Amino acid sequence: QVQLQQSGPGLVKPSQTLSLTCAISGDSVSSNSAAWNWIRQSPSRGLEWLGRTYYRSKWYNDYALSVKSRITINPDTSKNQFSLQLNSVTPEDTAVYYCTRAVSGSYPSHWGQGTLVTVSS
Amino acid sequence: EIVLTQSPGTLSLSPGERATLSCRASQSVSSSYLAWYQQKPGQAPRLLIYGASSRATGIPDRFSGSGSGTDFTLTISRLEPEDFAVYYCQQYGSSPRITFGQGTRLEIK
Repeated sequence: QVQLQQSGPGLVKPSQTLSLTCAISGDSVSSNSAAWNWIRQSPSRGLEWLGRTYYRSKWYNDYALSVKSRITINPDTSKNQFSLQLNSVTPEDTAVYYCTRAVSGSYPSHWGQGTLVTVSS
Repeated sequence: EIVLTQSPGTLSLSPGERATLSCRASQSVSSSYLAWYQQKPGQAPRLLIYGASSRATGIPDRFSGSGSGTDFTLTISRLEPEDFAVYYCQQYGSSPRITFGQGTRLEIK
């Protein structure tokens, strides 16, 4: 049974970096059939896909154009987890952030518990 | 970018009634890449339907999905009290990889 456990701070100051981690159990971050995504949800933007990392003989990343200049998603095979870093945050980045596992990259079948991240001084 | 538009925004029904939720895409979507989710307050979305019509593990058979091309439907045959929630459709494409509709709120009448 796949489970995703998120961790990271709930408050980030403007212009700083938002960092979250998602620990995986029941699957491997190096799986050849899954993709590991970050999705956020806010009242103003709804559910918004941010990006993903996946392994198909080598590591790949895809990012949403809206955050491409500010985002990094990295796998950590030693800890079987993946992380999100979002730089230069503004109050517009305030949202609930979810890590997800997408089967064959297409639909998120498993979700973390969500982390409310507030950007405020 | 494919935009998904869900209707109605809010649907008011009573337990035992049938619910029909619509998701329309701005361009044709492969049926293999259309999914539906249920979200309750304070919880993450839960996968209900994938591949437009396949139920996810553990989803009751009162939930069904149909459609192709640009028009997709989620039907709940007989509403149970626990079905009142927000429902989202989602598609997988080129860029951005994953997009969601804005949601339909199913509320008790």
